[in-house]
Amino acid sequence: GAVVSQHPSRVICKSGTSVKIECRSLDFQATTMFWYRQFPKQSLMLMATSNEGSKATYEQGVEKDKFLINHASLTLSTLTVTSAHPEDSSFYICSAERDNGYNEQFFGPGTRLTVL
Amino acid sequence: AQKITQTQPGMFVQEKEAVTLDCTYDTSDPSYGLFWYKQPSSGEMIFLIYQGSYDQQNATEGRYSLNFQKARKSANLVISASQLGDSAMYFCAMREGHTGTASKLTFGTGTRLQVTL
Repeated sequence: GAVVSQHPSRVICKSGTSVKIECRSLDFQATTMFWYRQFPKQSLMLMATSNEGSKATYEQGVEKDKFLINHASLTLSTLTVTSAHPEDSSFYICSAERDNGYNEQFFGPGTRLTVL
Repeated sequence: AQKITQTQPGMFVQEKEAVTLDCTYDTSDPSYGLFWYKQPSSGEMIFLIYQGSYDQQNATEGRYSLNFQKARKSANLVISASQLGDSAMYFCAMREGHTGTASKLTFGTGTRLQVTL
């Protein structure tokens, strides 16, 4: 299957700082990537759809100024959590869409963010 | 209304036995796709199986099969010959709309499967 990487896998930061998470599709080009958030023992909640070369589409209730998404190339999307606070601590997972007949999403391994 | 409902928060199954994980969905779109993912404790999402709304036959992938009952809007995952490594969280997800359009996935709340000796 296709490979999607995320970096970093784990990050601890102080409240008020910004954190950038990278999502890369390693062996295919992805016009569309997705960012999800998962709280402990809960499901994945879609935050935004990232489209190469255009602005991201955010889901209702997601602050676009807080969660900046940049999809600068067909293999890289970044999520920046600006002025992070403890309530932003979560597991962030990206996925990259590949047109293999049913637009399968290939998921990255996730990034665990802890804001102190 | 929930678009994807998984009513079993936790399930136990003995090794080598089969287990069925339930999933019901709600959509008015005639074109949709249903996915099952496995999430072990490491956190990665592992794709297991896919069923399209127009597929005539139930999907199968190795030990995984999907019991697709369109009229009842259910898409249960059947795992045969369970192995200890099958212990994980399992999520059912749905994509609405035709292939090629925006393919957002909506996830259910998941079922934690524990395989015992």
